[in-house]
Amino acid sequence: QKEVEQDPGPLSVPEGAIVSLNCTYSNSAFQYFMWYRQYSRKGPELLMYTYSSGNKEDGRFTAQVDKSSKYISLFIRDSQPSDSATYLCGIIQGAQKLVFGQGTRLTINP
Amino acid sequence: DVKVTQSSRYLVKRTGEKVFLECVQDMDHENMFWYRQDPGLGLRLIYFSYDVKMKEKGDIPEGYSVSREKKERFSLILESASTNQTSMYLCASQTSGSYEQYFGPGTRLTVT
Repeated sequence: QKEVEQDPGPLSVPEGAIVSLNCTYSNSAFQYFMWYRQYSRKGPELLMYTYSSGNKEDGRFTAQVDKSSKYISLFIRDSQPSDSATYLCGIIQGAQKLVFGQGTRLTINP
Repeated sequence: DVKVTQSSRYLVKRTGEKVFLECVQDMDHENMFWYRQDPGLGLRLIYFSYDVKMKEKGDIPEGYSVSREKKERFSLILESASTNQTSMYLCASQTSGSYEQYFGPGTRLTVT
């Protein structure tokens, strides 16, 4: 079993839709949870991170963590074509080592 | 802005060749990482370094080695390239005590 599981998609939605991206993890010792966004032919860039259960908002993006279920989510409201990218969840596993999910490829159709 | 640069965007090598992938960061970060990215597998950690001349194995170090002679430069070496090392290679850097990693644009390596 992979330490972090993420549905690779691809996911295609119309512009303006609410997008939900999800990951599950196996190690309850994980403390920090991150979402990276990767545009085509670019390296990943950090979108959001959180370290506690609950929600964290940043504009149209909301990161949600449920430690009891070992489940993390990223919600995108009012999705735009510019949000089309691959989204990677990443979880810190001690000593700053990141473990990534497989990545979900998202396309927002105008 | 943090900048992480990688020596090549695309590279084609033959089986058995020795391959060097170079990564340079300009923010005086202590930590540097090498990943490979494959469809359906995400990013997997090959090697990382927390300081000059220090290196630690990641999850998939077999067939790779690294060198960190200067703080800003972290090199990934494929001693004898094989076709199963065809992949996208991503370098990242990070300041000690922070959780954010800054990635380079990647090198797409094809081994034929």
